[in-house]
Amino acid sequence: DQQVKQNSPSLSVQEGRISILNCDYTNSMFDYFLWYKKYPAEGPTFLISISSIKDKNEDGRFTVFLNKSAKHLSLHIVPSQPGDSAVYFCAAPSGNTPLVFGKGTRLSVIA
Amino acid sequence: DGGITQSPKYLFRKEGQNVTLSCEQNLNHDAMYWYRQDPGQGLRLIYYSQIVNDFQKGDIAEGYSVSREKKESFPLTVTSAQKNPTAFYLCASSPQTNSPLHFGNGTRLTVT
Repeated sequence: DQQVKQNSPSLSVQEGRISILNCDYTNSMFDYFLWYKKYPAEGPTFLISISSIKDKNEDGRFTVFLNKSAKHLSLHIVPSQPGDSAVYFCAAPSGNTPLVFGKGTRLSVIA
Repeated sequence: DGGITQSPKYLFRKEGQNVTLSCEQNLNHDAMYWYRQDPGQGLRLIYYSQIVNDFQKGDIAEGYSVSREKKESFPLTVTSAQKNPTAFYLCASSPQTNSPLHFGNGTRLTVT
C-alpha cells in the first residue's frame, strides 16, 4: 500500500512558466516531507522540505505547499528552467523508519 | 570532501552469479541504506542499517544480503535468488534514520 503517491508520471512545461508537482499521502502520522531531484544515472539530491507545523516553505525558485487536511503537498518551481528537467520524488519519514518515497514525476522544461 | 562512493558505476554479471556492490561514506553518518530504482517504480528500500553490526530488511529484501562491519561501509550482495536483479542501485546515508538522506551516484547492474 503506497503511503506516498505521485499520480503524475510526467509533466511538460515551457521555460519561464510555473511547474507544479503534486504529492498525496495516506499516513496522517507523517509530520515532515521532503522533495528530492534526480538526474539520469545520478543519485537523488535533497531539494526542499516542510514540517507539518508550516503550510509553506520557500527557497529561491522552489516553494513547497502543504495542505494537511487534504493530505496533499505540492512543489512549485517558478520560473522553470531547462536545467530543472529531472525526476522529482516526494518522501516522508514514518517514525523511526527510513524515508518512504513516491514513484516520482519526470519534469521536462521545454526551451 | 565528504560524500558517498558507490563502485563500480556499471556492473555486468551472468545469471546465477552473486555480485557485491560497494558503498562507502565519509560523512560519519550512523545510518545507511540501499534502495533500488526501476522505471515507474520510484525508490524501493532493500535494507537499512542504523548502527554498526545491525541491519533491518526493507520492503524488497528477498534475494539480497548486507553487512555492516564498519560505520563507513555497507556492501550489498545481490544473490542468485533475486529474480529480477537488473536495476539501478542507490546507496544512501543519514545522521539518523529519519533525517534527509545523502545519496551516492548509484550502480547500474545488468544481469544476463
